[in-house]
Amino acid sequence: EPEVTQTPSHQVTQMGQEVILRCVPISNHLYFYWYRQILGQKVEFLVSFYNNEISEKSEIFDDQFSVERPDGSNFTLKIRSTKLEDSAMYFCASSVGQAGADTQYFGPGTRLTVL
Amino acid sequence: AQKITQTQPGMFVQEKEAVTLDCTYDTSDPSYGLFWYKQPSSGEMIFLIYQGSYDQQNATEGRYSLNFQKARKSANLVISASQLGDSAMYFCAMRGTGRRALTFGSGTRLQVQP
Repeated sequence: EPEVTQTPSHQVTQMGQEVILRCVPISNHLYFYWYRQILGQKVEFLVSFYNNEISEKSEIFDDQFSVERPDGSNFTLKIRSTKLEDSAMYFCASSVGQAGADTQYFGPGTRLTVL
Repeated sequence: AQKITQTQPGMFVQEKEAVTLDCTYDTSDPSYGLFWYKQPSSGEMIFLIYQGSYDQQNATEGRYSLNFQKARKSANLVISASQLGDSAMYFCAMRGTGRRALTFGSGTRLQVQP
C-alpha cells in the first residue's frame, strides 16, 4: 500500500540554523500538507500546496517557513532560522484532491529538536 | 472559525469491550467533513474514519463507527471489541467548506486493559 515517507526521522539543530525537512507524498496525490505537533499538544496545520503553489496557510506559517516541490517526487519544508519553539514533530500529508472526503494520509513525522 | 473539543483526556476500557470517544465541533460552514485519526506511541497518524456533514448514514469502517449527531454537533467514535493494539491517542478533526486545513482536537488517550 502506498504511503507518505519523511526524512530524516529525527533532526537536531542549533538555534538560528536552517533546516530542511523532506517528504515524498503518495505518487498520484495532488495536494500536499505540512502539520506540526508540539510535544503533548494538538496537531496544527501549517500549509497546503497544490499545483506548485501554496493554496492555504496558517498564522504559524510566517516568513521563516517556506515549502517547495523541487522535483516530481519530493516536497520540502524549510525553516530559515530555527527557534527553540520550533521544536516539534512535523508531519507531511498528501491527498488526492477529490471532492468530499479527500482524506489526508500522514507520513511518520520528523522530530525536530532545536537546541 | 472552526473548533473541535475532545473532553476526555484519557479513557480506560477492558479488552473486548466497546468504547466511545467524544468529539464535539463548532463551525459556521454549511458543509464540512469530520475525521478520526489514531496516533500510537510510535507517533504516526493513522486515518480511521470519515463522516461528511450531509451523509445520511453514520460511517462505519470495520470495528470503528461514527455516531454522528448533527443537531448536537457531535461526532463520537465508537470502537467495538477493543483490542490491546487499540491503545493510542485518538484525534478528532474537521475540514470546512472550501478549506484544505484540518482542525484537530486535543485528543483522547485510550488505554485498553487485558
